[in-house]
Amino acid sequence: DAKTTQPPSMDCAEGRAANLPCNHSTISGNEYVYWYRQIHSQGPQYIIHGLKNNETNEMASLIITEDRKSSTLILPHATLRDTAVYYCIVSVEAAGNKLTFGGGTRVLVKP
Amino acid sequence: DARVTQTPRHKVTEMGQEVTMRCQPILGHNTVFWYRQTMMQGLELLAYFRNRAPLDDSGMPKDRFSAEMPDATLATLKIQPSEPRDSAVYFCASGLRPWTATNEKLFFGSGTQLSVL
Repeated sequence: DAKTTQPPSMDCAEGRAANLPCNHSTISGNEYVYWYRQIHSQGPQYIIHGLKNNETNEMASLIITEDRKSSTLILPHATLRDTAVYYCIVSVEAAGNKLTFGGGTRVLVKP
Repeated sequence: DARVTQTPRHKVTEMGQEVTMRCQPILGHNTVFWYRQTMMQGLELLAYFRNRAPLDDSGMPKDRFSAEMPDATLATLKIQPSEPRDSAVYFCASGLRPWTATNEKLFFGSGTQLSVL
């Protein structure tokens, strides 16, 4: 699976959009981009995933560049409850969804 | 809401003792994963099962760790004998294959926090 690079930490103001970048320059054509988050003391939680097109759900939006070498997770209106570690992962679905977690980005939403 | 259930939530034991952690995957899910999380190593995949058959346990120390699925509703991770370096949070996750656009995700339990003294 391709490796990802994320900033180790970032702050965000409550109510503002949080834009979390992820670089995956070695991604293969059949690899998906997944985002999970882990709130303190809890198990990771699925947020969103995509292959080529931008995706949106009730939690977030995922913007994938045309060359697929990077992506951005957007939390449109961050709340204090969005404080967590966010993991960007690339994985081939056929691999049985073995997810390799890197260090993630520690997001602190401030009032 | 359907959820992955892990027991116990916390376990404190002494070095050399046997530890068994249990996981009840979401009903109907056919893939189960065991992860371990430490401050130093982050989240590491230990083993995973599909339709109760072990597919990959390369991340697991073979001499002391064992993972099984006695039936579709129970996965176990056993450490014997336990060592202080095994202290970590152990997460179980379940999913459903074949994947579709609506079920392409893993659901994680709340974890078992293990302390080996």
